[in-house]
Amino acid sequence: AQKITQTQPGMFVQEKEAVTLDCTYDTSDPSYGLFWYKQPSSGEMIFLIYQGSYDQQNATEGRYSLNFQKARKSANLVISASQLGDSAMYFCAMREGRGGSNYQLTFGKGTLLTVNP
Amino acid sequence: GAVVSQHPSWVICKSGTSVKIECRSLDFQATTMFWYRQFPKQSLMLMATSNEGSKATYEQGVEKDKFLINHASLTLSTLTVTSAHPEDSSFYICSARDASTYEQYFGPGTRLTVT
Repeated sequence: AQKITQTQPGMFVQEKEAVTLDCTYDTSDPSYGLFWYKQPSSGEMIFLIYQGSYDQQNATEGRYSLNFQKARKSANLVISASQLGDSAMYFCAMREGRGGSNYQLTFGKGTLLTVNP
Repeated sequence: GAVVSQHPSWVICKSGTSVKIECRSLDFQATTMFWYRQFPKQSLMLMATSNEGSKATYEQGVEKDKFLINHASLTLSTLTVTSAHPEDSSFYICSARDASTYEQYFGPGTRLTVT
């Protein structure tokens, strides 16, 4: 079974509007972390936001917020007031456990976001 | 913030030659580095995990004799694509895990084209 599922291959949003990118995850480990990365056409992976499994509140970073619904195993990214520069590929990722050699990121397939002027 | 560099950022080589890609953590020590491969419009696929001073752990389906990984110091890991072929053309991304915080930082990637 896929550990990270992003069901939206592509999304379109109008400039200045908000958009939600979906992410569901699958793990039996009670300790895990969820990440969102942005990858523009240049290829670099830009870290956006992080949510720990024990965090009580949803993470927020500027225009980015993570809608964490633990019981539903979802970690959707909300981008408010979209800008043209937000057009990029967005990846959801998960890291399981608290450490050790298996402390690696598993990525979803990504969502290509296009912001229209 | 923590910086990871990759060199070269892009490379074109002829089929049959070998190419070495360097990944450096510039301001932190990385006992573990990860190498990913990404095809156009696809996700990152973990190729191998390298630990300083020991042999790399390769993911299933990745040829260890073709993709040689060396992690000789706490700040440098190298990936050598041996006897490269056109199907090895891809975007290779490394990431380094900070030994003290366990945070993982990505390099800017290397675009390899084999002609």
